[in-house]
Amino acid sequence: SQTIHQWPATLVQPVGSPLSLECTVEGTSNPNLYWYRQAAGRGLQLLFYSVGIGQISSEVPQNLSASRPQDRQFILSSKKLLLSDSGFYLCAWSSQGAGEKLFFGSGTQLSVL
Amino acid sequence: RKEVEQDPGPFNVPEGATVAFNCTYSNSASQSFFWYRQDCRKEPKLLMSVYSSGNEDGRFTAQLNRASQYISLLIRDSKLSDSATYLCVVKSDYGGSQGNLIFGKGTKLSVKP
Repeated sequence: SQTIHQWPATLVQPVGSPLSLECTVEGTSNPNLYWYRQAAGRGLQLLFYSVGIGQISSEVPQNLSASRPQDRQFILSSKKLLLSDSGFYLCAWSSQGAGEKLFFGSGTQLSVL
Repeated sequence: RKEVEQDPGPFNVPEGATVAFNCTYSNSASQSFFWYRQDCRKEPKLLMSVYSSGNEDGRFTAQLNRASQYISLLIRDSKLSDSATYLCVVKSDYGGSQGNLIFGKGTKLSVKP
């Protein structure tokens, strides 16, 4: 069966510090991978998605970047965090060609202070 | 008009009650519709897809009205464990190979003993 792992679960970082969140998927190959952010009182916002290694699409201009160095690994990064980067970050995957049913990781609660 | 709109609630209902949520979407070309459930500080999980003819899964019934551009979720015989936020999700194809899932902000349900 497929599983998705995301870590860490919580993170408190000072403004201006770097960020690296990692997500890995097991039990499937060539998945679509996604990074979402859920700010307090707001809906899920798609940040990045990837249909293959090294293929990253950005949905919104921001202070973040994403990379997919391996088929089942997706990394969210920032060189310098802003206060507005605080939120609940969720990694997700879906099957290629059927990017409808999303399966989410357990999320990372990021607080930038 | 927002792409996907939901009444944020909260809906406070007693155990055993029947409760219904509606969701409206703005893109008439939307093709796929879903309900996700999200517990507090947890990841969203797919509850059910919504089919044109309507569909039922146990105590849950989902309906789609394309003419009026809304979908609904009906929960019968509410259980305490149904307490959660219910997210309406609409897939809108913007061209290219990747359709975009648009998440509503969610409707919060609280089932009381």
